[in-house]
Amino acid sequence: GAVVSQHPSWVICKSGTSVKIECRSLDFQATTMFWYRQFPKQSLMLMATSNEGSKATYEQGVEKDKFLINHASLTLSTLTVTSAHPEDSSFYICSASPGLASYEQYFGPGTRLTVT
Amino acid sequence: QQQVKQSPQSLIVQKGGISIINCAYENTAFDYFPWYQQFPGKGPALLIAIRPDVSEKKEGRFTISFNKSAKQFSLHIMDSQPGDSATYFCAASIEGYSTLTFGKGTMLLVSP
Repeated sequence: GAVVSQHPSWVICKSGTSVKIECRSLDFQATTMFWYRQFPKQSLMLMATSNEGSKATYEQGVEKDKFLINHASLTLSTLTVTSAHPEDSSFYICSASPGLASYEQYFGPGTRLTVT
Repeated sequence: QQQVKQSPQSLIVQKGGISIINCAYENTAFDYFPWYQQFPGKGPALLIAIRPDVSEKKEGRFTISFNKSAKQFSLHIMDSQPGDSATYFCAASIEGYSTLTFGKGTMLLVSP
């Protein structure tokens, strides 16, 4: 149980274009979903937290107009990187939690984004 | 400041040996301490977690030791295997909040 999927697993896009990453909880309802960014050999950096039906809460320093997060249902959240630039190239990981007060986060397999 | 300090940054252990990774925290409000295992190119996977009402939790070859007074917790991997080679992250959370504060990670290499 507690499986989270991400799509695509990797994507290459040209500078200036937008790319959407999907995160789905497959066997539970995710009241809260999180988006992380991870650089090589570094820890996970929380970008934003989203609750179903509400606007996402972004961490300090994360551009909300550049990283658009939509948590439209209890099983789906999307991250759209708008007007991507090479510095946006990174490993993006989502996680999902069954409830507002649930400790446990279940992570997706990640999406490797390369912007050329 | 909510911070979790993890050491060592990297670790090499011989097959069959014990791998030990340590974490220390500052915020006494933390009450949930999970460990995650991450293989290259994959997302982290929850390995084992502990709450401060117990001093030790064991699941198979993995054991968490927790010292509340010292604000430290550690992961012990007994009989380490090459398949355990991965990056391990400790984390901490506060009751009522799902947000995790992660350590910087430890790259473990178990040599055959």
